[in-house]
Amino acid sequence: NAGVMQNPRHLVRRRGQEARLRCSPVKGHSHVYWYRQLPEEGLKFMVYLQKENIIDESGMPKERFSAEFPKEGPSILRIQQVVRGDSAAYFCASSHRRGHDGYTFGSGTRLTVV
Amino acid sequence: AQRVTQPEKLLSVFKGAPVELKCNYSYSGSPELFWYVQYSRQRLQLLLRHISRESIKGFTADLNKGETSFHLKKPFAQEEDSAMYYCALAGGTSYGKLTFGQGTILTVHP
Repeated sequence: NAGVMQNPRHLVRRRGQEARLRCSPVKGHSHVYWYRQLPEEGLKFMVYLQKENIIDESGMPKERFSAEFPKEGPSILRIQQVVRGDSAAYFCASSHRRGHDGYTFGSGTRLTVV
Repeated sequence: AQRVTQPEKLLSVFKGAPVELKCNYSYSGSPELFWYVQYSRQRLQLLLRHISRESIKGFTADLNKGETSFHLKKPFAQEEDSAMYYCALAGGTSYGKLTFGQGTILTVHP
């Protein structure tokens, strides 16, 4: 069991480009959570997804950000037309069921916008 | 609204000294509290949760609802305890969503 896998580990994008961050949950986990960590800040919740459904997106910026967790394949966090302020570490966590049992974090993707 | 405050960004102690990492929270209902740790070059991992009432690696944390605190304590710090520590809260209907504090970097000197 490889745990939660996130890729890429590091991603550099120019302003205006798109960033796609991938998260493969622990095998058998159907709940995925995305968090963002801005410099000098703690992790902030962005979105909670269950297979093919967005359950809670209260932490997602209203524009340019979207997330999906298809029936097959990893969860994707997509940021369109990136700006310098999007530079951050993005972490994904997965769990077997709703709640905190088996809650496991990935190593994160560090996005740098130049 | 729920909030977690870790007032110390940096904490330094010597090996063998007691250590206490402070965590205060704001939440109107009955929260579930956690401590997560991130060692150098490793992913964030759960250290302990208040409902388990267990001691992990010598660390304990007691939920004090009167003071809305969940401080992390260890009587004798070890060098390998050096890491970033995050306090986190889950509210009753949050479905697994965690609210994190800003984190405290603990350095244990030899």
